[in-house]
Amino acid sequence: DGGITQSPKYLFRKEGQNVTLSCEQNLNHDAMYWYRQDPGQGLRLIYYSQIVNDFQKGDIAEGYSVSREKKESFPLTVTSAQKNPTAFYLCASSRRDKSSPLHFGNGTRLTVT
Amino acid sequence: LAKTTQPISMDSYEGQEVNITCSHNNIATNDYITWYQQFPSQGPRFIIQGYKTKVTNEVASLFIPADRKSSTLSLPRVSLSDTAVYYCLVGDMIGGSQGNLIFGKGTKLSVKP
Repeated sequence: DGGITQSPKYLFRKEGQNVTLSCEQNLNHDAMYWYRQDPGQGLRLIYYSQIVNDFQKGDIAEGYSVSREKKESFPLTVTSAQKNPTAFYLCASSRRDKSSPLHFGNGTRLTVT
Repeated sequence: LAKTTQPISMDSYEGQEVNITCSHNNIATNDYITWYQQFPSQGPRFIIQGYKTKVTNEVASLFIPADRKSSTLSLPRVSLSDTAVYYCLVGDMIGGSQGNLIFGKGTKLSVKP
């Protein structure tokens, strides 16, 4: 089955450490996205990439970094500069056409103490 | 960017039809209207998408009036498993970028027995 895999489902880190969240898709989608969701809130866009080796900042990119070396993979690094990193992180992908909906993974819940 | 407004919450009973309306007064000519469903601790799931008039699939219908300034998601005969948050998104997919899609807080639907 095609889909998006995020791992791990739960992640715990100490404050001051960088942590990388994995996102892999086998849908052959060109575009990939990272969202952050806080309790009771909607999703906020962190970064997105429309093509390999290219990505753009979303609304809340500060304290995060990404890479897009392969079409299938779009890892997100939460750096120590991110002031409130504890959140639910969602990765998505889509085709690059007018009506392509987003396909989401099941998220990684990051807790930083 | 087309901002959307939808009710924060709705209650219903099993077997009833549920209609969730979304307002998007500044929708642009190229914008599509897309609805997603999200269960706790999962990624959002695509439900339905439309541009104008009516769209129906196996799980829902989407009604869009001629002026396209609002849309209504209709869920026929809901069950307890339809309890979830429903998001209405309006976006311009020209160029393949979905980086401008805005997820609000959505509508929390509670279905009671």
